[in-house]
Amino acid sequence: DAKTTQPNSMESNEEEPVHLPCNHSTISGTDYIHWYRQLPSQGPEYVIHGLTSNVNNRMASLAIAEDRKSSTLILHRATLRDAAVYYCILRANYGGSQGNLIFGKGTKLSVKP
Amino acid sequence: DAGVTQSPTHLIKTRGQQVTLRCSPKSGHDTVSWYQQALGQGPQFIFQYYEEEERQRGNFPDRFSGHQFPNYSSELNVNALLLGDSALYLCASSFYRGIGYGYTFGSGTRLTVV
Repeated sequence: DAKTTQPNSMESNEEEPVHLPCNHSTISGTDYIHWYRQLPSQGPEYVIHGLTSNVNNRMASLAIAEDRKSSTLILHRATLRDAAVYYCILRANYGGSQGNLIFGKGTKLSVKP
Repeated sequence: DAGVTQSPTHLIKTRGQQVTLRCSPKSGHDTVSWYQQALGQGPQFIFQYYEEEERQRGNFPDRFSGHQFPNYSSELNVNALLLGDSALYLCASSFYRGIGYGYTFGSGTRLTVV
């Protein structure tokens, strides 16, 4: 399975934007880039995913490099509730069926008031 | 719309015993995956069930087995429990052919083996 590399931890101030980087230099042409986050004492929560183009939803934006070897999750205005471990995951596409989520250690985001 | 439901939420077992954990997927989902999460680590994939068959399996011993029922719910069984099996067990549901969709996770079952 293709691997991802993320910083162990990051800090942000409340109401400021946060850019969470992810490197995935061995990504294959059909792998999707998924982001999940895990709040304390909860299961992981889907945030966003993309293939080649940048994506936006109500939670975040995903910026994907042109060569797809890196991506950045953008939280536009961090709140205290965004403090969590963020996982960047490559998900294989088996011609219509889905590969599993292979989690790394993720980035622990701390948000200061 | 209920999400993924797992039971029980907490469980304490003795080494050598057997345990069964249960999962009801999100309405409309047809695939269930199980993960083990040790303290301070990311979730580790155990196996995935679709159409009542194990479709993919991670690097876990045969002591870990599962089942999926016609209503898509699932069970995870662990035999001959070891102290190292103490962890949070997460169930996730999804669409098998849903490339454009994410997984929905439950809040997990905290298993403690003493």
